[in-house]
Amino acid sequence: GQSLEQPSEVTAVEGAIVQINCTYQTSGFYGLSWYQQHDGGAPTFLSYNGLDGLEETGRFSSFLSRSDSYGYLLLQELQMKDSASYFCALRADSWGKLQFGAGTQVVVTP
Amino acid sequence: NAGVMQNPRHLVRRRGQEARLRCSPMKGHSHVYWYRQLPEEGLKFMVYLQKENIIDESGMPKERFSAEFPKEGPSILRIQQVVRGDSAAYFCASSPTGLLSGANVLTFGAGSRLTVL
Repeated sequence: GQSLEQPSEVTAVEGAIVQINCTYQTSGFYGLSWYQQHDGGAPTFLSYNGLDGLEETGRFSSFLSRSDSYGYLLLQELQMKDSASYFCALRADSWGKLQFGAGTQVVVTP
Repeated sequence: NAGVMQNPRHLVRRRGQEARLRCSPMKGHSHVYWYRQLPEEGLKFMVYLQKENIIDESGMPKERFSAEFPKEGPSILRIQQVVRGDSAAYFCASSPTGLLSGANVLTFGAGSRLTVL
């Protein structure tokens, strides 16, 4: 099976930078993705890493180290609207099914 | 281009009744995934389907739960003889194909909130 670990909550002020770490255990690896969910609504895709290194998409970046079974999501120039839950999601087989972590609640304060 | 459509958005059932949740994937998407989310928790994989085929049901409880994705019409998640522990948000997601070398980006619906009294 697979397991993913991420912090339960992070609090930061507007304009700050937040890093959400995700460590995983799996026998197969086809990539690590990140999703955002506001107030229990539909999760939305943010970023994906299939290979080691950094992927940058606007204010959000994601990093992967397969040798360390570790990734992180970096949120820069935090805005109030970034207050949400963030999930790392592991693709462990070729069929594309994703296993999600428990989520990190990001609280942005003025 | 409509997104993933789920209905009902809210469903209330009494213990022992049946719940049917429907999901219409995005146009052009042939792969459907069902996830369950309890309050303050992550998304738990339940089942992965293609048209007329169950690909992976490793997350489905062995009893009372079933899923289908017929040739015509939406995917259905069926919960028989519901119990209070079934109260949760059930999310459906779709993707164009599951066999990808890169990111398999899932597009989620808004979810169906089941409350069992």
